[in-house]
Amino acid sequence: QQQVKQSPQSLIVQKGGISIINCAYENTAFDYFPWYQQFPGKGPALLIAIRPDVSEKKEGRFTISFNKSAKQFSLHIMDSQPGDSATYFCAASIGTGGFKTIFGAGTRLFVKA
Amino acid sequence: DTGVSQNPRHKITKRGQNVTFRCDPISEHNRLYWYRQTLGQGPEFLTYFQNEAQLEKSRLLSDRFSAERPKGSFSTLEIQRTEQGDSAMYLCASSSQGPSGELFFGEGSRLTVL
Repeated sequence: QQQVKQSPQSLIVQKGGISIINCAYENTAFDYFPWYQQFPGKGPALLIAIRPDVSEKKEGRFTISFNKSAKQFSLHIMDSQPGDSATYFCAASIGTGGFKTIFGAGTRLFVKA
Repeated sequence: DTGVSQNPRHKITKRGQNVTFRCDPISEHNRLYWYRQTLGQGPEFLTYFQNEAQLEKSRLLSDRFSAERPKGSFSTLEIQRTEQGDSAMYLCASSSQGPSGELFFGEGSRLTVL
């Protein structure tokens, strides 16, 4: 019940294309859904986050779509660039306490120039 | 830049030895977390401090692991009698006690146990 399942494990997208990463959760107590981006040799960094009272949040080329009834959420990267090549983690937490943040297994994105 | 700082960045040790990692969080953050990340996996929560109080520990944290944050500033994570299964990246993160929930991660300390 505590898991966050993420897919795909890896993704290759052409420059300018749309990258889509999906996540599903079981615990309906989760109320904060962040996405983290991690480059090799670096720690994860918050990219964008959403709360379940909205169905979509957009920040620049990054959009989170959230489906509360299906317990699913996804990250869309529009106009994908080679600099977006990184590992992306979806996560879920109860409240804003980091100790209750559960991370997905990650998606390795490679954007071909 | 006053981001989260972790030392050492890399540690190679022999099985059975003790190792200690240090984390210096962002100075105004009162919350500090330790996570473990293995290859191909997301970070897994180990333990959490609010100021100097250790408020929660994961079941992943065996008796060989101990963490401290003596003055509510920096924190140490010690692993005693290391095992090969302890090989991983140990990530420290900090956050403020606000509504955003954002975790600020350090670059991690990579442990290799031979």
